[in-house]
Amino acid sequence: GAVVSQHPSRVICKSGTSVKIECRSLDFQATTMFWYRQFPKQSLMLMATSNEGSKATYEQGVEKDKFLINHASLTLSTLTVTSAHPEDSSFYICSAMDSPYGYTFGSGTRLTVV
Amino acid sequence: GQQLNQSPQSMFIQEGEDVSMNCTSSSIFNTWLWYKQDPGEGPVLLIALYKAGELTSNGRLTAQFGITRKDSFLNISASIPSDVGIYFCAGRPFGNEKLTFGTGTRLTIIP
Repeated sequence: GAVVSQHPSRVICKSGTSVKIECRSLDFQATTMFWYRQFPKQSLMLMATSNEGSKATYEQGVEKDKFLINHASLTLSTLTVTSAHPEDSSFYICSAMDSPYGYTFGSGTRLTVV
Repeated sequence: GQQLNQSPQSMFIQEGEDVSMNCTSSSIFNTWLWYKQDPGEGPVLLIALYKAGELTSNGRLTAQFGITRKDSFLNISASIPSDVGIYFCAGRPFGNEKLTFGTGTRLTIIP
């Protein structure tokens, strides 16, 4: 079946630094990927839609300059959290469309900003 | 962002019991998906529903796409310890690739 690899699984960074999270589709090409954020005991909230070869579209209230998304190839999307602050600490999850109606999720990245 | 209403929020059951949870929306969806999420992991697809009224099974799991297109339910029969986790519904509207997730149901099995 379709596999989405997400790295790193955990990262701790200092306040003010930037962190990059990678999302790769291993056995299929994905023109569309999605980035979610999940706070403890809450559901997944869509942050942005990543489109290969074009700019990402962000959900209302998500700062595009803070959460930089790059989808430079059909198998890789990256999310960079710039100038991270403690309130950015969360679980970030990507997903990729492996078919017109199928979504495969990565295993998530636990970001802790200290 | 929008979220789907999912109930119950949590369930405490004994091993072997059946489980039922549902999801409702104020808007119509073209696809309903049910996922399970273990701690520290991403969601894993359990069942996908693509047609109103559709009833689909996956082992001990059964899910239905409501005929109004605004709701869906998931049943788990004869629960086992590995069923513990958080279950999410997700809906996709017609002509839109974005998923909207439910608020989640946390399933706990009491020894």
